[in-house]
Amino acid sequence: GAVVSQHPSWVICKSGTSVKIECRSLDFQATTMFWYRQFPKQSLMLMATSNEGSKATYEQGVEKDKFLINHASLTLSTLTVTSAHPEDSSFYICSASVGRALANVLTFGAGSRLTVL
Amino acid sequence: GDSVTQMEGPVTLSEEAFLTINCTYTATGYPSLFWYVQYPGEGLQLLLKATKADDKGSNKGFEATYRKETTSFHLEKGSVQVSDSAVYFCALMDSSYKLIFGSGTRLLVRP
Repeated sequence: GAVVSQHPSWVICKSGTSVKIECRSLDFQATTMFWYRQFPKQSLMLMATSNEGSKATYEQGVEKDKFLINHASLTLSTLTVTSAHPEDSSFYICSASVGRALANVLTFGAGSRLTVL
Repeated sequence: GDSVTQMEGPVTLSEEAFLTINCTYTATGYPSLFWYVQYPGEGLQLLLKATKADDKGSNKGFEATYRKETTSFHLEKGSVQVSDSAVYFCALMDSSYKLIFGSGTRLLVRP
């Protein structure tokens, strides 16, 4: 079946540095990718929706200059956390779909845990 | 706005016990409802879904019925196994086709 791979699965960085997280669809072309953030014992919160070849659409309250999303190809989307701070520490999850974002064709990655010291 | 509330965990059961994980939602209109499961170290997987009132989703022995009158979508399984240990997320799809998740419920099944 469809597989979405995230890399790295775990990253620690110093405050003020930038971190890039990759989300790849391994055996299908994903026209739409979603990025979520999950705090401990809380829901997954949608951060942004990215469509290949166009700018990402960010949810209200998400700083687009801090969380840069690039969807340069049909198999790769990246999330860059710029000038990371400890409050950005979280679990970031991506999902991908072909065509319209119907949940029954969404495939999720295993997530990337970011710890900012 | 739309929201999903599910029972806090962890839920600890013995093998072959009956499972219920409660989920209620608040939404305008009639959203599609979903249960996702996340096994350790893996991504979320769709477990089952229901798209309209009174629909029953089922998969791998799990069931959930879309109850409009009580705005609920409780997950049930008659006899759990150790391999069912995971985190379960209830979710709805809003009118913009975005998924809104509950906070997740960890299930631990002991042999």
